[in-house]
Amino acid sequence: DTAVSQTPKYLVTQMGNDKSIKCEQNLGHDTMYWYKQDSKKFLKIMFSYNNKELIINETVPNRFSPKSPDKAHLNLHINSLELGDSAVYFCASSRRTGGTANEKLFFGSGTQLSVL
Amino acid sequence: DQQVKQNSPSLSVQEGRISILNCDYTNSMFDYFLWYKKYPAEGPTFLISISSIKDKNEDGRFTVFLNKSAKHLSLHIVPSQPGDSAVYFCAATSGGGSEKLVFGKGTKLTVNP
Repeated sequence: DTAVSQTPKYLVTQMGNDKSIKCEQNLGHDTMYWYKQDSKKFLKIMFSYNNKELIINETVPNRFSPKSPDKAHLNLHINSLELGDSAVYFCASSRRTGGTANEKLFFGSGTQLSVL
Repeated sequence: DQQVKQNSPSLSVQEGRISILNCDYTNSMFDYFLWYKKYPAEGPTFLISISSIKDKNEDGRFTVFLNKSAKHLSLHIVPSQPGDSAVYFCAATSGGGSEKLVFGKGTKLTVNP
């Protein structure tokens, strides 16, 4: 009964490959996110979706393509993986209150991506 | 450009004592601040928050203080317990909403028995 679940937990792959990370939330939230935690430990937002609609796309290379089939799912597909893509990727969700996404985010446990 | 700074990468305290984690911010438009706690191999979990209209918010052993003039906030944990050992992230946003939450790098707290 995990609230925000993402798979896989670990992903080791070669440069140039294409990979996907899946995320699902069972909290009934309208807004979902992808965050990246790089080697310097900063947590930075990549994308935000509200009801399957892209709200935020933060200067992320277009090799990264989020897909939201419904408001409970937000998957992340990465093409032509590069060494610099190695990081921990966190999915998150939040409720929407009064037209804005609530600040309290619920995070998944992260996907450790290692590009060799 | 780090808008939210946690200058202490780590902090070690004895069980039962007070833990004080600090956070500075540069963006004067920030009006809502949050603390998240993260255990290894897990995602961050929300701990406590404060709006810029307040200078203090308390929830059990956790208190957040906000000094707007100094653009500084701190998280106090009293008394500290070994289970509090985790990485604590400070986060801030402006204009309401979490679309633009900006996180600090985190401070690793170790509470020694």
